[in-house]
Amino acid sequence: AQSVSQHNHHVILSEAASLELGCNYSYGGTVNLFWYVQYPGQHLQLLLKYFSGDPLVKGIKGFEAEFIKSKFSFNLRKPSVQWSDTAEYFCALSSGGSYIPTFGRGTSLIVHP
Amino acid sequence: SQTIHQWPATLVQPVGSPLSLECTVEGTSNPNLYWYRQAAGRGLQLLFYSVGIGQISSEVPQNLSASRPQDRQFILSSKKLLLSDSGFYLCAWSPTPAWNEQFFGPGTRLTVL
Repeated sequence: AQSVSQHNHHVILSEAASLELGCNYSYGGTVNLFWYVQYPGQHLQLLLKYFSGDPLVKGIKGFEAEFIKSKFSFNLRKPSVQWSDTAEYFCALSSGGSYIPTFGRGTSLIVHP
Repeated sequence: SQTIHQWPATLVQPVGSPLSLECTVEGTSNPNLYWYRQAAGRGLQLLFYSVGIGQISSEVPQNLSASRPQDRQFILSSKKLLLSDSGFYLCAWSPTPAWNEQFFGPGTRLTVL
């Protein structure tokens, strides 16, 4: 069975601080990894995804994530956060041939201006 | 482009009443469809998914059921609502193959009194 762990449930930062949200997964085979974001009052939407190739993937709004296979991790990073990054962030995993994605519990990020 | 609709946006129902939430997708064919319940701090709980008309898989035993009467229509139902059915329900679709990213609807806030 596959699982996703997000260790930080609540993160509070000031603007311009650097961000790293942890995501670890459990699955022995090939995986596809995603970060989704839900801004207040908006749809849940894709931030970035990793399928194969360069393990460092870049997404919208200056976010990036690095897939480290040896650590089963896919941490999300942003060098300088803005107040508008306040949102709920979800890490997710799907495996080849599975119709069932697995989501982490989410991390609530609050950025103070 | 593809769009996903959910209605109603909010719903207040008495205990024991029936439920019908509807989700429709436009601009694509043969999508994989999903119903989730989102609870604060608990992430996304997958309730049902469907890979085709009339094909429904249940992930969690619930007081709920799902149906897919048409290719791009997904309905979440209950014969008798419980207080514990209150929550935020999200519909999502993904293109084939199923390991692709998901696209989420705006959600329905259900309150059972």
